[in-house]
Amino acid sequence: AQRVTQPEKLLSVFKGAPVELKCNYSYSGSPELFWYVQYSRQRLQLLLRHISRESIKGFTADLNKGETSFHLKKPFAQEEDSAMYYCARSGGSQGNLIFGKGTKLSVKP
Amino acid sequence: EAEVAQSPRYKITEKSQAVAFWCDPISGHATLYWYRQILGQGPELLVQFQDESVVDDSQLPKDRFSAERLKGVDSTLKIQPAELGDSAMYLCASSWTDHDTGELFFGEGSRLTVL
Repeated sequence: AQRVTQPEKLLSVFKGAPVELKCNYSYSGSPELFWYVQYSRQRLQLLLRHISRESIKGFTADLNKGETSFHLKKPFAQEEDSAMYYCARSGGSQGNLIFGKGTKLSVKP
Repeated sequence: EAEVAQSPRYKITEKSQAVAFWCDPISGHATLYWYRQILGQGPELLVQFQDESVVDDSQLPKDRFSAERLKGVDSTLKIQPAELGDSAMYLCASSWTDHDTGELFFGEGSRLTVL
């Protein structure tokens, strides 16, 4: 079965510290990978996708096919980065997404 | 800015009762998804529509859940009868197309509590 694994339920860092949210996916063809974010009292929204190779709000994510990983990184965390982060991969042929269980990032002042 | 609308935001019901959730996707979005998110878990796909047609309902518990999108615009998800284990957030999302995995736009969700 296609799976997305986010091993950390909670990640707590201090402001200014580097942050890395881990994501591993089950190998199946050439999936598209995404990070979605949900800030407090807001709806789930796309943060970035691997095909764009862009940095959003200082976050980057590199697809490592050898390790089947798509870790999300930011060199200097900010308090406003506190949120739930979900890694997702493309599912079947219908374009839907399979989500991980999420990691709650808490950035302390 | 166009957003996915869902109602009700909150629903409390007793087990064995019927419940229904409504979703209005962003105008022009052909693909509509219903996801269920149990507390502490990620969203899990229940059903996907392309226009008015179901393209994936493999994870929908069809003995009690039904979904429709009659005119290819808004959609209704129904549960009858509700069970305790159905307590969850029900998320609706839409996207332009299902031909490639693009950005999904989510609604605020409908939180169901079954007593």
